[in-house]
Amino acid sequence: QQQVKQSPQSLIVQKGGISIINCAYENTAFDYFPWYQQFPGKGPALLIAIRPDVSEKKEGRFTISFNKSAKQFSLHIMDSQPGDSATYFCAASGGGGSNYKLTFGKGTLLTVNP
Amino acid sequence: GAGVSQSPRYKVAKRGQDVALRCDPISGHVSLFWYQQALGQGPEFLTYFQNEAQLDKSGLPSDRFFAERPEGSVSTLKIQRTQQEDSAVYLCASGRGGSYNEQFFGPGTRLTVL
Repeated sequence: QQQVKQSPQSLIVQKGGISIINCAYENTAFDYFPWYQQFPGKGPALLIAIRPDVSEKKEGRFTISFNKSAKQFSLHIMDSQPGDSATYFCAASGGGGSNYKLTFGKGTLLTVNP
Repeated sequence: GAGVSQSPRYKVAKRGQDVALRCDPISGHVSLFWYQQALGQGPEFLTYFQNEAQLDKSGLPSDRFFAERPEGSVSTLKIQRTQQEDSAVYLCASGRGGSYNEQFFGPGTRLTVL
């Protein structure tokens, strides 16, 4: 049972455009939702994270939108740049005694064309 | 400051060999995690340490997998009698623990079992 579903699997955007990646979760006990960026041959790097007490969080060009009732959250990358080309993972954690355990989506390969 | 480091970065093993993968967490981080990342997939949780105590090993795929963190800093993931299905990138992450969920990942060790 996949607890965090991520879409799309791949995404191609023109430079300057908006990249949008969506995730849906099933476990209502989740209370921490980070996004990670991974370049080939590197480990995932934390980009931005949100907790369910807010509906939106913005850091620079990156924004997380969170819809608790729909159990969905999304990453928006404004003014996308070729250097943003990477794989993006959403994740979630929370729930009683295992609040440390991150459950990841399957990833979205983003390509930003110059 | 220095991030999480892992060694070796690449490991090729013949089926049936034992391997040991090392993780040096960020200094002062009490939490340490191991994840397995198959090609084209998101990381999957293996095990969790708080200081030297292994609090969760529910993600270890079989009893051939063993992890330790004897002094609460460096950790080793050992895989005995490696099988081809063990081929993956093994990621280590560390965190401050407590109410902080942030996990900071190392570059990973790519294990190939022939």
